[in-house]
Amino acid sequence: GAVVSQHPSRVICKSGTSVKIECRSLDFQATTMFWYRQFPKQSLMLMATSNEGSKATYEQGVEKDKFLINHASLTLSTLTVTSAHPEDSSFYICSARDHWGGLNNNNNEQFFGPGTRLTVL
Amino acid sequence: LAKITQPISMDSYEGQEVNITCSHNNIATNDYITWYQQFPSQGPRFIIQGYKTKVTNEVASLFIPADRKSSTLSLPRVSLSDTAVYYCLVGGQRSNTGKLIFGQGTTLQVKP
Repeated sequence: GAVVSQHPSRVICKSGTSVKIECRSLDFQATTMFWYRQFPKQSLMLMATSNEGSKATYEQGVEKDKFLINHASLTLSTLTVTSAHPEDSSFYICSARDHWGGLNNNNNEQFFGPGTRLTVL
Repeated sequence: LAKITQPISMDSYEGQEVNITCSHNNIATNDYITWYQQFPSQGPRFIIQGYKTKVTNEVASLFIPADRKSSTLSLPRVSLSDTAVYYCLVGGQRSNTGKLIFGQGTTLQVKP
């Protein structure tokens, strides 16, 4: 149980285009999902917190108009990178927080997706 | 948010026990300590979580002293497949935002 999927796993696009990445919780409901970005040899950087049915909360320095987040259901959140540029090339990872508190009553446990490798040419 | 310090890298050999210590001096009363493992080009995977004393599961143990200002992840008899980055995180309970802030992590290299 507690599986999070992402689609696509890998995408290559031209500069100026928009790319949508999906994050799904497959066997649990997630009122909250998180989006991270990870550059090579670096740690994960939290971009935004996505709450079902409400606007996302962005971390400082992350442009909300460039990284559009939609969390329309308890099992799906999407991140759209608009007008992508080469510097947006990165590994994007989502995580989902179990609505009911996590397996084995672990507080705050999050389940991570496999990541999406974005390359902007 | 608690400031977290952990070694940047560690080397070990197959079959050895590996202990990775994390310092979190200003941990808050409600904070839990969680460890994640990440392989290259994959999302992090939950390893273990604890609040105080000792927690053990099928893959690791977590030791937390009484003052909770540090914690030690213990991996028994590591294998080559345990080569990964290990992140120590400190965060609040279910009732808060649930944000996880990742530090630099510890890159563990297991050698044959």
